Amino acid sequence: ETGVTQTPRHLVMGMTNKKSLKCEQHLGHNAMYWYKQSAKKPLELMFVYNFKEQTENNSVPSRFSPECPNSSHLFLHLHTLQPEDSALYLCASSQDTGLANQPQHFGDGTRLSIL
Amino acid sequence: AQSVTQLGSHVSVSEGALVLLRCNYSSSVPPYLFWYVQYPNQGLQLLLKYTSAATLVKGINGFEAEFKKSETSFHLTKPSAHMSDAAEYFCAVSDLGGYGKLTFGQGTILTVHP
Repeated sequence: ETGVTQTPRHLVMGMTNKKSLKCEQHLGHNAMYWYKQSAKKPLELMFVYNFKEQTENNSVPSRFSPECPNSSHLFLHLHTLQPEDSALYLCASSQDTGLANQPQHFGDGTRLSIL
Repeated sequence: AQSVTQLGSHVSVSEGALVLLRCNYSSSVPPYLFWYVQYPNQGLQLLLKYTSAATLVKGINGFEAEFKKSETSFHLTKPSAHMSDAAEYFCAVSDLGGYGKLTFGQGTILTVHP
C-alpha cells in the first residue's frame, strides 16, 4: 500500500457525538498536515506536525483535537461539532516542513456531515 | 506574507482546444510553486512544481507551466484539452520562510465540452 490513506471516507455525525478521523502515510515522510476544504472557500490549513511535534495550530477551535503518535499516523478527534464544520477534511504529508521545495501529498479526504 | 491569485473561478473550453489557467503569486523571497488537480470525490494530486531550476516545467497528463518572475506568474497550459481534464485546479506557493506551509489559490474549475 502506498501514498496517503484516510479513513473513513464518509462520516455523518450528530453535534453531540465524538468521532475520530485517521490518516496514514506510507511515503516515509516526517511532516503531516490537516486541511479543511469547504465549498467556495480556499483550503484552510488546520494543523501541522513535523517529526511528531505540532508546529502549527491555525486558530482552530478546541472541538478539533489532533494527535500524531508517530510520523506515519495522524488523527483528528472530533467532539461537539457545529453544522458549519461540515466539509471535506484532507490529510497531507511531506518530507519535512523545513524542505519547502518538496510537495505535499494528499489523501482522498473524509467527507464529514454534521446533522 | 505570500499569497496566490487564480484569475477565473471557472474556465470552459472545447475538447482539443488550448487550456490556460492563470496563477499570480506574491512572495517576499524566491518562491516554490505548485499546481495540483482535484477530481470529484478525491484529494489533491500534484501536477507539477517549480523549484528554481528550469522556468518551463513539464508535468503529468501533458500539462506544463512557465515561471515568469517579472510578471509574478505561473500559468498552467495544455495544448489540447481532453474530456478527462475536467476537474478543479489549484495553484500553491511556499517559500523558505514558510516552514513547509502551502498557500493555495481559490481554485479554477475546468469544464471541457465535446
